[in-house]
Amino acid sequence: GESVGLHLPTLSVQEGDNSIINCAYSNSASDYFIWYKQESGKGPQFIIDIRSNMDKRQGQRVTVLLNKTVKHLSLQIAATQPGDSAVYFCAETYSGSARQLTFGSGTQLTVLP
Amino acid sequence: EPEVTQTPSHQVTQMGQEVILRCVPISNHLYFYWYRQILGQKVEFLVSFYNNEISEKSEIFDDQFSVERPDGSNFTLKIRSTKLEDSAMYFCASSRETDTGELFFGEGSRLTVL
Repeated sequence: GESVGLHLPTLSVQEGDNSIINCAYSNSASDYFIWYKQESGKGPQFIIDIRSNMDKRQGQRVTVLLNKTVKHLSLQIAATQPGDSAVYFCAETYSGSARQLTFGSGTQLTVLP
Repeated sequence: EPEVTQTPSHQVTQMGQEVILRCVPISNHLYFYWYRQILGQKVEFLVSFYNNEISEKSEIFDDQFSVERPDGSNFTLKIRSTKLEDSAMYFCASSRETDTGELFFGEGSRLTVL
């Protein structure tokens, strides 16, 4: 069936650099996308979301970009810090509802000192 | 800061036994969820719950699973007869509204079925 997946399982960046985490989705009916961060031993933590009527949304040090043409989502983290080390998941749903999120496989971000 | 709490943090059970996982959602939230994550795999939706009834459930949430909000604070997931493949981390989550992807997750209950 259709699913959300991630391009890279691991990503290492130097502290202070910018990080870009990518996500491909295949369900063209999805119209709402969310990024979650999961630290070791903890539950997923909401980072930022974007609806399909937008192509960019910014938060504090994070930006999400949505390209509906190629069904691609990315999360940019500015000035990456050691505390950003975690697994990052994209998730999708449709009709603006959070009732049933479909999560991607996750990318492990490691911030190097 | 309010948080979702889950108990137990880890439960080991024998195949065929019943298990109840407990959650206390954030107090002013109205929507409750269970997700699970098998080791090394994706987080998977199980069920959503609102106004004392199931809103949506996935194919995983078959007849051996049930949810309940027995009082004003707890939200439970019961697995009637556990199977080896039920071994996973089970996450409870809650949200203020349904029209948001901002779910607040607990730290999870690790279930090991032997």
